[in-house]
Amino acid sequence: GAVVSQHPSWVICKSGTSVKIECRSLDFQATTMFWYRQFPKQSLMLMATSNEGSKATYEQGVEKDKFLINHASLTLSTLTVTSAHPEDSSFYICSARQGAVAEAFFGQGTRLTVV
Amino acid sequence: ELKVEQNPLFLSMQEEKNYTIYCNYSTTSDRLYWYRQDPGKSLESLFVLLSNGAVKQEGRLMASLDTKARLSTLHITAAVHDLSATYFCAGGETSGSRLTFGEGTQLTVNP
Repeated sequence: GAVVSQHPSWVICKSGTSVKIECRSLDFQATTMFWYRQFPKQSLMLMATSNEGSKATYEQGVEKDKFLINHASLTLSTLTVTSAHPEDSSFYICSARQGAVAEAFFGQGTRLTVV
Repeated sequence: ELKVEQNPLFLSMQEEKNYTIYCNYSTTSDRLYWYRQDPGKSLESLFVLLSNGAVKQEGRLMASLDTKARLSTLHITAAVHDLSATYFCAGGETSGSRLTFGEGTQLTVNP
């Protein structure tokens, strides 16, 4: 399958600071990328969908000014958690697909801990 | 809006036993996925089921799809400890839509 690389794998930041997470498709052009959040012992919750060159579509209840998503190229999307707080601590996972009918492949995930 | 429900949510089984995880979904789904997640890790794709009656097998795992019943199953044959993980099913309403995940089934295989 195709490879999606996420960076960093884990990050610890102080409350009030911002953190950027990168999601790259290494061997295909990702027209669409998805960002998920997963709390311990829970399922994946979709935060937003981004199409290259367009503004991201956020799910209900997700603050777009807090979780900034940029998908400026066909191989890179970034999620910036602004003014992070301890309740933002979670496992963030991206997935990417090439074309509307293609399977989406998942990145390795990023464990964010806000202290 | 597509809803996906899995059961059981927790499954403790002995090695060499067989068991089935069920995934029900609420509306027409174009495709059904099964994933495995190990603790602290991301998702590993296991199966993609695209049509009614589809059956796929890999090792001790077999997945099937019944679109009329809106049901997919993941059958585990002669479980081994290495299969301990959380298993998710996920569906998409149409080919271009986002995935909706089930709650996950935490499987523990005991010696």
